[in-house]
Amino acid sequence: DIQMTQSPSSLSASVGDRVTITCRASQGISNYLAWYQQKPGKVPKLLIYAASTLQSGVPSRFSGSGSGTDFTLTISSLQPEDVATYYCQKYNSAPVTFGGGTKVEIK
Amino acid sequence: EVQLVESGGGLVQPGGSLRLSCAASGFTFTSSWMTWVRQAPGKGLEWVANIKQDGNEKYYVDSVKGRFTISRDNAKNSLYLQMNSLRAEDTAVYFCARGNGFNIYWGQGTLVTVSS
Repeated sequence: DIQMTQSPSSLSASVGDRVTITCRASQGISNYLAWYQQKPGKVPKLLIYAASTLQSGVPSRFSGSGSGTDFTLTISSLQPEDVATYYCQKYNSAPVTFGGGTKVEIK
Repeated sequence: EVQLVESGGGLVQPGGSLRLSCAASGFTFTSSWMTWVRQAPGKGLEWVANIKQDGNEKYYVDSVKGRFTISRDNAKNSLYLQMNSLRAEDTAVYFCARGNGFNIYWGQGTLVTVSS
């Protein structure tokens, strides 16, 4: 099965900072990669699918890139409401797999 | 409005069984793959299983194969997860979600606790 490795596992940044989270697949998955945001006690929210397509209603400060095995989620200007855990997910074939998560905090 | 409402969670002893349900509304259930995802307390997301529209294709994560069974009743717009031989490590919030692959719509989840 394909494993998804996210890094870092946590980060602390200042409001307005550019934040980058990476996700690496153990095998190529083309662009079958999604990113989710989960706030404490809440349901995961889809941010990006197909590696770089922004889900409707998601702020444009979120962006995704990558293909094959290496992917990136970028928050161009971190806002207080972005405090959450972020997960990547590969979905090219079963089993679907999530990364371990990246917890983002405000410094 | 898409709604997914899980039920059936609770406290169960190791080795026991539980059946989760997910009531779907606001979309064409018969046209949608459906998925179960779980999250252990304080841990990350884990995909559990999914099922095709007609129920003829089902996939499972290795850790639940042979113990869990996903099913659906299209006449009732409902998704199920029969969980047998439960273990402490199955303790989690179980979410149902619409789709096969990335999931836009999620239920609020139901908590399953496996403990003696």
